[in-house]
Amino acid sequence: EAGVAQSPRYKIIEKRQSVAFWCNPISGHATLYWYQQILGQGPKLLIQFQNNGVVDDSQLPKDRFSAERLKGVDSTLKIQPAKLEDSAVYLCASSPNLGVRTSGRDNEQFFGPGTRLTVL
Amino acid sequence: DQQVKQNSPSLSVQEGRISILNCDYTNSMFDYFLWYKKYPAEGPTFLISISSIKDKNEDGRFTVFLNKSAKHLSLHIVPSQPGDSAVYFCAASSEGARWGAQKLVFGQGTRLTINP
Repeated sequence: EAGVAQSPRYKIIEKRQSVAFWCNPISGHATLYWYQQILGQGPKLLIQFQNNGVVDDSQLPKDRFSAERLKGVDSTLKIQPAKLEDSAVYLCASSPNLGVRTSGRDNEQFFGPGTRLTVL
Repeated sequence: DQQVKQNSPSLSVQEGRISILNCDYTNSMFDYFLWYKKYPAEGPTFLISISSIKDKNEDGRFTVFLNKSAKHLSLHIVPSQPGDSAVYFCAASSEGARWGAQKLVFGQGTRLTINP
């Protein structure tokens, strides 16, 4: 089974420029997450999609960050304009969770390798 | 506010000995806890989890203990092997604002080094 794919793996931009990241989740996974991981910290959820609808975007800085998941499959995360503090690894994850809360590994989130963004 | 805390940024253990990684949480609504392992340049991978209705879950060399009254969980690895060297993240989940939303809150991570 193919894992979560992300591109690009690395990106260096100047502040005030725009950047976009792409994620292709595991086939059939209904839920998709974007996380921001700043150096020395744990991943922080930015946005969660269930199919192509947003479930939680409470921690997404909406003045500069946007995300979409057209057709309920792959997703893009955009930053416009970028700031120095946006330097981080952006992780995409997916899970088969279909919106029914259960315990166990069916709620496990599978992560992609991440995109390391450096803003100069 | 840091709802999930891993107070040890790093831990060094001799091969064959027990590794104990600790995690504390503040939100009493958390009812499901997970440990993830992360190698450099890779995304985190799931290791083991525990529901709040249990106090122990074991999977091979890995055991997670949950102390709800202390809001504390720990991951035990025994015996420790060189391949266990990685960053370990503790994460917690509660029912989200909408039914079925599994929002994970992560700790800062602990870098475990297993010395031969």
